Amino acid sequence: GQNIDQPTEMTATEGAIVQINCTYQTSGFNGLFWYQQHAGEAPTFLSYNVLDGLEEKGRFSSFLSRSKGYSYLLLKELQMKDSASYLCAVLDSNYQLIWGAGTKLIIKP
Amino acid sequence: DVKVTQSSRYLVKRTGEKVFLECVQDMDHENMFWYRQDPGLGLRLIYFSYDVKMKEKGDIPEGYSVSREKKERFSLILESASTNQTSMYLCASSAGTDTGELFFGEGSRLTVL
Repeated sequence: GQNIDQPTEMTATEGAIVQINCTYQTSGFNGLFWYQQHAGEAPTFLSYNVLDGLEEKGRFSSFLSRSKGYSYLLLKELQMKDSASYLCAVLDSNYQLIWGAGTKLIIKP
Repeated sequence: DVKVTQSSRYLVKRTGEKVFLECVQDMDHENMFWYRQDPGLGLRLIYFSYDVKMKEKGDIPEGYSVSREKKERFSLILESASTNQTSMYLCASSAGTDTGELFFGEGSRLTVL
């Protein structure tokens, strides 16, 4: 079966750095996506990785290792507004998105 | 500003009622999707459509049907609502079949009593 694992909840301090991990086992791979979802709102696209390595976009970076079936989302200089759920999703060989359950990130002052 | 609009943010229905959830996108996207989101579970795909009048079952189509009569509009129908269909329903669209970059609506929270 297809599976995506990510921690249920993480807590971090304002101004700090946090890394949210995602491991996946899917039928094929056509890219990995990270989405941010604030409570009561729609998910919004954050990043896309299809090749190994690090993609940086401002305070957010996403890393991919296809051989390990592993990705992480790195958030730097945390702000209170970063409190949200972060969803990891993989596009499989049929171009269907397989979703993780999401990681709820709590930022404390 | 690109937009996916869902007709209702909150609905309360009774068991057995017919429920229509409508979704409209203004990005001229080919692909549209209906998901449900429940605590502790990932987004689960109910139905999707790659073209007008075309529909494909997702992972959990039972108890649901869809309609896509126009490119910009994708409707989700619960013929006879049941309490286990209480959930957040999210509509999304994308520009192509090979992309995982989806644009989501605000969601419709349905409660079935």
